[in-house]
Amino acid sequence: SQKIEQNSEALNIQEGKTATLTCNYTNYSPAYLQWYRQDPGRGPVFLLLIRENEKEKRKERLKVTFDTTLKQSLFHITASQPADSATYLCRGQNFVFGPGTRLSVLP
Amino acid sequence: NAGVTQTPKFQVLKTGQSMTLQCAQDMNHEYMSWYRQDPGMGLRLIHYSVGAGITDQGEVPNGYNVSRSTTEDFPLRLLSAAPSQTSVYFCASSLSSVSTGHGYTFGSGTRLTVV
Repeated sequence: SQKIEQNSEALNIQEGKTATLTCNYTNYSPAYLQWYRQDPGRGPVFLLLIRENEKEKRKERLKVTFDTTLKQSLFHITASQPADSATYLCRGQNFVFGPGTRLSVLP
Repeated sequence: NAGVTQTPKFQVLKTGQSMTLQCAQDMNHEYMSWYRQDPGMGLRLIHYSVGAGITDQGEVPNGYNVSRSTTEDFPLRLLSAAPSQTSVYFCASSLSSVSTGHGYTFGSGTRLTVV
C-alpha cells in the first residue's frame, strides 16, 4: 500500500542550527508532497507544497527538496528557534500522511 | 473568516452510543475530509467529499457515516461507538481535489473517548 515514512524519533537541536527532517515514500509516485506543522492539541497547519518536477522550494527560513530517485523529501528549517518546536507532518498525494517527526529546538 | 469549525472539542461516549461530530467551513472549499489521529499511526483518512452530494470512503471507514448536503457542512456520524474509536478527529478542507496540491485547512479537532 502507499506509504509515507518519517523518522519517528524526536529530533533535538540547538537554537540557531539547521533542522533537517526526512520524508520517504513507498509503493507510489506522488505528484507532490506537502509539509505541515502541528502543535500539541491543535490541528495541522499547511506550510509548503513541492511538486515532483521541482527540486527545491523555499519560504522564509524553510526549504523543501524533492528527490524522485531517492523517493524522498527533505524539510529544512534554518536558524532554528525554540518557537519552531512542533511536530512536522509530510503528506503525499492521495491523502497519505506520514506519522510526523517531533522537533525540539533547545535554547 | 472562521476557517474550519469543529464541534464539540471533547466528548465522552459509552459503548454503543451514537453521535455526530460537526464540521463547517466558510471558505467555499469543494473538498472536505475527516481524519482520525492516533499515537504512532499518524492521520488516517475516514471519509472524504469532493463536493456537495458526493462522498467516498477513505482508509478506515468502518463504523462511520458521512453526508454532504451543502458545500459548507460535512458531519461525521458514529453509528455505535466502540472503544477502538477513541481518538482525535480532525476535519480538513481544501480549495479543490487532491490532484491540484492545494493545502488542507484543518479544524482544531474533537477528542473522543469511548468507555
